[in-house]
Amino acid sequence: GAGVSQSPSNKVTEKGKDVELRCDPISGHTALYWYRQSLGQGLEFLIYFQGNSAPDKSGLPSDRFSAERTGGSVSTLTIQRTQQEDSAVYLCASSLVSSGTTEAFFGQGTRLTVV
Amino acid sequence: AQKVTQAQTEISVVEKEDVTLDCVYETRDTTYYLFWYKQPPSGELVFLIRRNSFDEQNEISGRYSWNFQKSTSSFNFTITASQVVDSAVYFCSNAGGTSYGKLTFGQGTILTVHP
Repeated sequence: GAGVSQSPSNKVTEKGKDVELRCDPISGHTALYWYRQSLGQGLEFLIYFQGNSAPDKSGLPSDRFSAERTGGSVSTLTIQRTQQEDSAVYLCASSLVSSGTTEAFFGQGTRLTVV
Repeated sequence: AQKVTQAQTEISVVEKEDVTLDCVYETRDTTYYLFWYKQPPSGELVFLIRRNSFDEQNEISGRYSWNFQKSTSSFNFTITASQVVDSAVYFCSNAGGTSYGKLTFGQGTILTVHP
C-alpha cells in the first residue's frame, strides 16, 4: 500500500481481555516501530524492529505487552489481560532503515478503549 | 538518554501571523537527529523535517523554516503567514546514539490558527 496501515482503527475491549493490533508497513521498509499516545504520557516509544535483528523492546511497559513481526513485514502488537490504563492510541510507523537518516512514516493509529 | 522539551503547550494566532514553535533537546550523544512532526485532527503524524547534529544549516521550505542552534540545544520551527490548515499539534523529537529507531518526542504544541 501507499502508506502504513493499521487495523482496527478503533477497539473497545473489556478489562482482562487480550487484544491484537495489526500494522502493515510501507513495502520495502526494513524498520518498524510501535508508539503509544495517551493524554497523560504523550508519545511513548514501545518497541522497534530492524530487519532480522533482535527487536528493541525497552519501551514495553510490562510483560503483558508483546510484539511480533512476521516475514519482515506485518507486525502484531498484543496486549494481554488489558487494564484501563492501557487505553490509548497505538501508533505504528515504518522507515526505510533505522539509522536516523530516514524519516518514519506513521499510520493513523488504533484507538484502544478498555472498559 | 534523550529528552525533548516543548515549553509552549498551546498557541493561538490569527491567520497570516507568523508563529514560532520552540523546542529544546537534551542528549549525550555526539551524533543525533532532530525531527518535527505535525499531527492534524485526523490523527496521523506527518513528517516535516529532519536535521543531523553535524548540519546546522537552517532551512526554509515555502512557509516553513527551521532554526537549529547547537549552542543552545534548540530546534525551533517557524510558520510564516499562518493559515487555518496549519492548525494541528506539532511535535519535536530526537533520536541518537545507537538507538536511532527510538524517537523521543516532546509533549507537543497545539497550534490553532483562527480565520
